[in-house]
Amino acid sequence: AQSVTQLDSQVPVFEEAPVELRCNYSSSVSVYLFWYVQYPNQGLQLLLKYLSGSTLVKGINGFEAEFNKSQTSFHLRKPSVHISDTAEYFCAVSEIQGAQKLVFGQGTRLTINP
Amino acid sequence: DTAVSQTPKYLVTQMGNDKSIKCEQNLGHDTMYWYKQDSKKFLKIMFSYNNKELIINETVPNRFSPKSPDKAHLNLHINSLELGDSAVYFCASSLSLVGNEQFFGPGTRLTVL
Repeated sequence: AQSVTQLDSQVPVFEEAPVELRCNYSSSVSVYLFWYVQYPNQGLQLLLKYLSGSTLVKGINGFEAEFNKSQTSFHLRKPSVHISDTAEYFCAVSEIQGAQKLVFGQGTRLTINP
Repeated sequence: DTAVSQTPKYLVTQMGNDKSIKCEQNLGHDTMYWYKQDSKKFLKIMFSYNNKELIINETVPNRFSPKSPDKAHLNLHINSLELGDSAVYFCASSLSLVGNEQFFGPGTRLTVL
């Protein structure tokens, strides 16, 4: 079984500041890793994913994440945030083999202050 | 064009009633899912179907019954609704079972009074 821990439930930052949202996972098998964003009253949208290859993954809206296998982490970063980045961010994993189901972390609420 | 659509968007009903939520995807995907998001925003998978076949049933009460009439549709029927069923239900689809991005619908907010 897999589990995902997002270490911060809320992260407030000022506009144009850098941000890092932390994600650690636990799994006995190899996994794919994802970050999803949920804007208020909307569904989830994929920001980026790691399936294989380079451990630094670039996604939409200027976000990137780095897969660290030894630390079982997949932290999300953005060098300069905007008001429009205010949303809930979810880290998720799924097994590489077997029926795919996303196991989500608890979510991190990112609030951008002017 | 909407990729994954759900109806209704909001559903308010009394305890004990039976209700259905419909989901349709026009992406040509083989696999569809239902997730439940509780009041603390925690997301958990309920079911997945691949080519109309049930693949995942994540210890959901028998009161919940998914039905997939074809690959493009996955409906969720809930019998004898309880207060604890209040949540946002998300439908999703992916190209196939393994290693693909899941596309999510806008969600259905169910409130049981």
